Amino acid sequence: GEDVEQSLFLSVREGDSSVINCTYTDSSSTYLYWYKQEPGAGLQLLTYIFSNMDMKQDQRLTVLLNKKDKHLSLRIADTQTGDSAIYFCAESRGSGGSYIPTFGRGTSLIVHP
Amino acid sequence: DAGITQSPRHKVTETGTPVTLRCHQTENHRYMYWYRQDPGHGLRLIHYSYGVKDTDKGEVSDGYSVSRSKTEDFLLTLESATSSQTSVYFCAIREGYNQPQHFGDGTRLSIL
Repeated sequence: GEDVEQSLFLSVREGDSSVINCTYTDSSSTYLYWYKQEPGAGLQLLTYIFSNMDMKQDQRLTVLLNKKDKHLSLRIADTQTGDSAIYFCAESRGSGGSYIPTFGRGTSLIVHP
Repeated sequence: DAGITQSPRHKVTETGTPVTLRCHQTENHRYMYWYRQDPGHGLRLIHYSYGVKDTDKGEVSDGYSVSRSKTEDFLLTLESATSSQTSVYFCAIREGYNQPQHFGDGTRLSIL
């Protein structure tokens, strides 16, 4: 069945780059998403990438997709303490109908001053 | 931000009582979802809706029911709450199948 895997924790120093990794198993995945969840809040969509793209950049965020290895990564440049949160990777298949995305369990990013 | 309002934001109730959570959207999106989030389990889908009066079960639907009588509201009901249903509940909406979901701020439910 489908599965999305993420490491549970990542600790970085303020000003460094953070790289959060995600692997998925469904080769028919069409859209891949990154969400951010701050304490006590809902999931906020950060960015997403279509499966025919290799890379997408949005300010400090860079998403890399390796379809062959089914690997997705989110790079945050110049990480700030405000980036401390849980980051979720999610994948979906653009097959219409009800569309049920599959989420990873989230990576807790801890940024040290 | 997507126009999603969940109510109540916090609730404490006793085992065996009925509980209804409301998700209200102002985006006129077709698809709506209810998730629960628990430590160690991530997000788990409870029920979803793909139109007015069109709903289906997710992976953890036992003990929950839903209703959607109009586009903007999706209600989640715990008919007889149990302590295992203590959780944070999130509503999400989506415009179309190739669009991302947008989430509400959640309802923290404690069942004693």
